[in-house]
Amino acid sequence: NAGVTQTPKFRVLKTGQSMTLLCAQDMNHEYMYWYRQDPGMGLRLIHYSVGEGTTAKGEVPDGYNVSRLKKQNFLLGLESAAPSQTSVYFCASSAIGAEQYFGPGTRLTVT
Amino acid sequence: GDSVTQMEGPVTLSEEAFLTINCTYTATGYPSLFWYVQYPGEGLQLLLKATKADDKGSNKGFEATYRKETTSFHLEKGSVQVSDSAVYFCALLARNAGNNRKLIWGLGTSLAVNP
Repeated sequence: NAGVTQTPKFRVLKTGQSMTLLCAQDMNHEYMYWYRQDPGMGLRLIHYSVGEGTTAKGEVPDGYNVSRLKKQNFLLGLESAAPSQTSVYFCASSAIGAEQYFGPGTRLTVT
Repeated sequence: GDSVTQMEGPVTLSEEAFLTINCTYTATGYPSLFWYVQYPGEGLQLLLKATKADDKGSNKGFEATYRKETTSFHLEKGSVQVSDSAVYFCALLARNAGNNRKLIWGLGTSLAVNP
């Protein structure tokens, strides 16, 4: 039972490049989330999903897109990376109305 | 709307000192309350939780009691260790359907424990 896994762990992008972060969970959770964590800002919700095929915007969705084609996977895309997207990205999942379980994070640097 | 307020850090303690990290909340109804811990370079881990008033969550020597009358969920530990150095986050989850999809987070409190 791996819990929540994230791929990749580290990435460096140049401004304007695109990339996709992959999150996978093996707990059969309905809900999945993408956060970013920046110094002094706590955790900010980017997008979330309450079930396969559904997505919704969080607090800071601009510049990101997501997809949940399979229940166990939640993808976060950056179409045209900007230096302001340099951050640590965390994926999480939860059962309905329950606590969230987090992945180990992806450290992204945009130069 | 719902919100969580945590004491600002950083908090610096000596080993074996008593720890309190304050957390207060604003919410309609009766939310569930959580403390998460983030060790350096890692993701967040659930430390403890409480789902109703007067419940006490406990784990690894940490405790927090859900106080509805003071809308608080303060984290305490009687004797901290160097290995407790981490960032601690308080969070709430609303009970009502439709609002129970997202955790509301505090900003985190950094704790450093010196030998």
